Amino acid sequence: SQKIEQNSEALNIQEGKTATLTCNYTNYSPAYLQWYRQDPGRGPVFLLLIRENEKEKRKERLKVTFDTTLKQSLFHITASQPADSATYLCALAHYGNNRLAFGKGNQVVVIP
Amino acid sequence: DGGITQSPKYLFRKEGQNVTLSCEQNLNHDAMYWYRQDPGQGLRLIYYSQIVNDFQKGDIAEGYSVSREKKESFPLTVTSAQKNPTAFYLCASSFSVDSNQPQHFGDGTRLSIL
Repeated sequence: SQKIEQNSEALNIQEGKTATLTCNYTNYSPAYLQWYRQDPGRGPVFLLLIRENEKEKRKERLKVTFDTTLKQSLFHITASQPADSATYLCALAHYGNNRLAFGKGNQVVVIP
Repeated sequence: DGGITQSPKYLFRKEGQNVTLSCEQNLNHDAMYWYRQDPGQGLRLIYYSQIVNDFQKGDIAEGYSVSREKKESFPLTVTSAQKNPTAFYLCASSFSVDSNQPQHFGDGTRLSIL
């Protein structure tokens, strides 16, 4: 069955460092991968989308990579700030279909 | 401000009762979605709609029903047949369901059983 794995342990990181999160998937051939941010008691907010033929995407301090051979996406927050503390969700979709399959999310805590 | 409004924020249901969660969007999006989120779990798709008067079951549709009479509105009814309804319910929308685009989410309704 399809599986999307994100680290269940919270990532505690010092302010100013780079936070790196991993999203691994099995039995899935996604055409697109999206990353969302979710704060407690709120809905997810879209951050970045990367296609299967793209290796890397950047937006301000965020960077996403997508390796279809390793079946893995990495999400980086550079120069992390306490305001970056949240849970980050990865979501996958097939080509031509916006039905997203979500991972469980990975919490980031940025320590001042 | 364009966005998605979910109401109420908190909802309590008695045993054997149906309850309806509201979702309204003013983004002019064709596609709308309902998800359920449980602690430590990913979002799971309940129902989605590509266009008015059309909707499709997602992965966990049993015990739920929806309607899409207007483009802006996609209410979800949690019926008494849903034996474990306590969860955080999220509504989302996107321009269409045919191509991959960001989904815009509301701030959810937390449903609990009395």
